[in-house]
Amino acid sequence: ELKVEQNPLFLSMQEGKNYTIYCNYSTTSDRLYWYRQDPGKSLESLFVLLSNGAVKQEGRLMASLDTKARLSTLHITAAVHDLSATYFCAGEGGKLIFGQGTELSVKP
Amino acid sequence: DAGVIQSPRHEVTEMGQEVTLRCKPISGHNSLFWYRQTMMRGLELLIYFNNNVPIDDSGMPEDRFSAKMPNASFSTLKIQPSEPRDSAVYFCASSFRSNRGYTQYFGPGTRLTVL
Repeated sequence: ELKVEQNPLFLSMQEGKNYTIYCNYSTTSDRLYWYRQDPGKSLESLFVLLSNGAVKQEGRLMASLDTKARLSTLHITAAVHDLSATYFCAGEGGKLIFGQGTELSVKP
Repeated sequence: DAGVIQSPRHEVTEMGQEVTLRCKPISGHNSLFWYRQTMMRGLELLIYFNNNVPIDDSGMPEDRFSAKMPNASFSTLKIQPSEPRDSAVYFCASSFRSNRGYTQYFGPGTRLTVL
């Protein structure tokens, strides 16, 4: 069964810095999804990565997928406070299997 | 489109009472999912439906939990009897399966408190 693990689980960043969240999965996953959840809110879809080598970018967030390494990354560039949220990755194993989430806090 | 609609948004009930959560998926979507989220256990998939048919209910914690999808535009998740450990946020999500994946769109959630 597909297992999805994220690291780190907690990340405290300073504004303006860059950082990467890692998402490892255990078996083949056709696609990889990234979601964002603000405190007390629902989950919002960020990216769908459809194939090996896929890269998607929106604003200060860039996601990539390496199916051979079974790894997806979410790179944050020049973090701002508005990016503070919990980020989830999810792989496809007949259904979406979510990672534990990475709680990101961006401080001035 | 209004997105996935859930009701009620908040529910406070006493142990032993029956609780019914409702979900209206996005029109045209053919898959529906019920999740539970708690601090301790994170996001858990309880059950999902394809074309109104339950496909995987392995995440339903106990017989006290049941879910139905009588038609493409409505689903319910029922807990009877409810217990304090059922307190959580329950999300409904819907998606349309295609060869470009099936991004799930989440509803606002129902925050359930069982006293």
